[in-house]
Amino acid sequence: QLQLQESGPGLVKPSETLSLTCTVSGGSISSSSYYWGWIRQPPGKGLEWIGSIYYSGSTYYNPSLKSRVTISVDTSKNQFSLKLSSVTAADTAVYYCARWMATTQFDYWGQGTLVTVSS
Amino acid sequence: QSVLTQPPSVSGAPGQRVTISCTGSSSNIGAGYDVHWYQQLPGTAPKLLIYGNSNRPSGVPDRFSGSKSGTSASLAITGLQAEDEADYYCQSYDSSLSVLFGGGTKLTVL
Repeated sequence: QLQLQESGPGLVKPSETLSLTCTVSGGSISSSSYYWGWIRQPPGKGLEWIGSIYYSGSTYYNPSLKSRVTISVDTSKNQFSLKLSSVTAADTAVYYCARWMATTQFDYWGQGTLVTVSS
Repeated sequence: QSVLTQPPSVSGAPGQRVTISCTGSSSNIGAGYDVHWYQQLPGTAPKLLIYGNSNRPSGVPDRFSGSKSGTSASLAITGLQAEDEADYYCQSYDSSLSVLFGGGTKLTVL
């Protein structure tokens, strides 16, 4: 059974960079059929797609976040990562990683990790 | 404000049928991109409920069904149960190469 697990600091200071890693187990991140994505959910609000990456390094980003987002992949560790720069309180959210069948659905999700932006 | 529009809330009594709409535009749903639905129980990650407009993943009861027409899609839940109380999100793709989510609909079982 495929599993995804987010990890990283739960508290980030304003103007700093948020960094999270998603570890994939029970399957290979190098599968040719799938992309891997990040989605976030501010407290009490809806879902927002951040971006997605293929094992080759090809990326798609949400245009509204593109200037601050970098998603990378490490196939040797079966992991992919998110960096979001110049964070503000508006970036406080539960961050989820998920498997994405390109242009279609997210079929496996991590449990999510809450990141709070505060001094 | 989400590009895919959903009603903020719907409600129904146990055993009843409810529907949740998801309205997009000619650059996403109307362009032929599929619609997918997720169920999010309180405090948990979203779970894929319907994919490819009308397909159920293994383990999803057939009380849940999806449809798509033109620039809109719908999720129907029949035989409503207390355990169906959750937030529901539609998702599609856009010609601008973006993944889109609806704003979410809170289902209350009366």
